Amino acid sequence: EVQLVESGGGMVQPGGSLRVTCAASEFTFSNFAMSWVRQAPGKGLEWVSSISGTGDYTYYADSVKGRFTISRDNSKNTLYLQMNSLTVEDTAIYSCAKAVFRGWYGGNFLDSWGQGTLVAVSS
Amino acid sequence: QSVLTQPPSASGTPGQRVTISCSGSNTNIGYYYVSWYQQFPGAAPKLLMFRNNQRPSGVPDRFSGSKSGTSASLAISGLRSEDEAEYFCAAWDSSLTGFVFGTGTTVSV
Repeated sequence: EVQLVESGGGMVQPGGSLRVTCAASEFTFSNFAMSWVRQAPGKGLEWVSSISGTGDYTYYADSVKGRFTISRDNSKNTLYLQMNSLTVEDTAIYSCAKAVFRGWYGGNFLDSWGQGTLVAVSS
Repeated sequence: QSVLTQPPSASGTPGQRVTISCSGSNTNIGYYYVSWYQQFPGAAPKLLMFRNNQRPSGVPDRFSGSKSGTSASLAISGLRSEDEAEYFCAAWDSSLTGFVFGTGTTVSV
């Protein structure tokens, strides 16, 4: 069974940075695109970013473009999300999710999710 | 932010059929497949339906999905107490190069 375990969340001040990590296991990590999805308190789900299986292609929601960077280390079966210039609007539970295809394109969907890690941005 | 609209709640008695709607637009549901997820409090979402009406292995056939135009729906027949959860839809959106999600529906039995 696919395992996705997020870590690295915590409290950070506005303008600060944080890196969250997703450790993947029980599947061939490099064969699948991966995504980060977040859910703010009392709000719906928001797609944040995705990365192709090779790591060559990355995609971002407009709300985080230029501030967040997604990356992966296929040798370590690990996905990362580097978050800079954080604002209170970035407060959310950040979950990683596995896609069903290696590339990131329409027709893809997310078939496994982690439980998430909480990022709280507050002064 | 959620772009697909779902009713906030739905309820039924054991054995009944409940239907959850998901409304989108031509840039998402109108052109791409819809998937559905089930989530219990404190747990990771679980894929319930993909490509509009395909069930992953292990999902009971009490769950069914459909799509018409820019809307989709998830039906739960033979409702059981263990179906009490939040359900949300998702679809690719060409304006985002990513996913949009539904607002979520809490099902009570």
